[in-house]
Amino acid sequence: AQKITQTQPGMFVQEKEAVTLDCTYDTSDPSYGLFWYKQPSSGEMIFLIYQGSYDQQNATEGRYSLNFQKARKSANLVISASQLGDSAMYFCAMREGSGGYNKLIFGAGTRLAVHP
Amino acid sequence: EPEVTQTPSHQVTQMGQEVILRCVPISNHLYFYWYRQILGQKVEFLVSFYNNEISEKSEIFDDQFSVERPDGSNFTLKIRSTKLEDSAMYFCASSDHMAGGTYEQYFGPGTRLTVT
Repeated sequence: AQKITQTQPGMFVQEKEAVTLDCTYDTSDPSYGLFWYKQPSSGEMIFLIYQGSYDQQNATEGRYSLNFQKARKSANLVISASQLGDSAMYFCAMREGSGGYNKLIFGAGTRLAVHP
Repeated sequence: EPEVTQTPSHQVTQMGQEVILRCVPISNHLYFYWYRQILGQKVEFLVSFYNNEISEKSEIFDDQFSVERPDGSNFTLKIRSTKLEDSAMYFCASSDHMAGGTYEQYFGPGTRLTVT
């Protein structure tokens, strides 16, 4: 079974609108972390936001927020007020366990296009 | 702001040749990783490294691969005899060691390896 599933290969949104990128995960470990990374066309991986499995509140970082629904095992990324520079590939990733050396498992990604 | 650096940015090599990809992690980080991304695909974990030894490696990380921290700053990935299917973007990442931290992994800009 896939550990991280991103069901939207591509999404588009109008500039200034909000967009939600879906991510579901599968783990039996009670301790885990969920991450979102942005990969622009230049190729680098940019960390956006983190949610820990024990965090009570949804994470927010500027225009990014994470809609964490633990019972449904989903960790959707919400980008508010989209900008042209948000056009990129977005990856959801999970770290199982609480160890700092634990690997990240990535989803297949969602390509977001922001239209003017 | 501290960042992970990688050299070279692009490496072209012939099949069967050895390559060494270099990374300088963030200075106070203790956990180091290599990932790879074949063009158009998701990011895949290769190996994690902590306390001068491999913590975990994936099935991809076979005997042709090795990692080393030759001094206090560099972290290298060696591929002994490259194959065509080794062509990919290779990312180095590092994370901190603070207890209770997110262990967010900071990624370098990547080295694009092309095997001809």
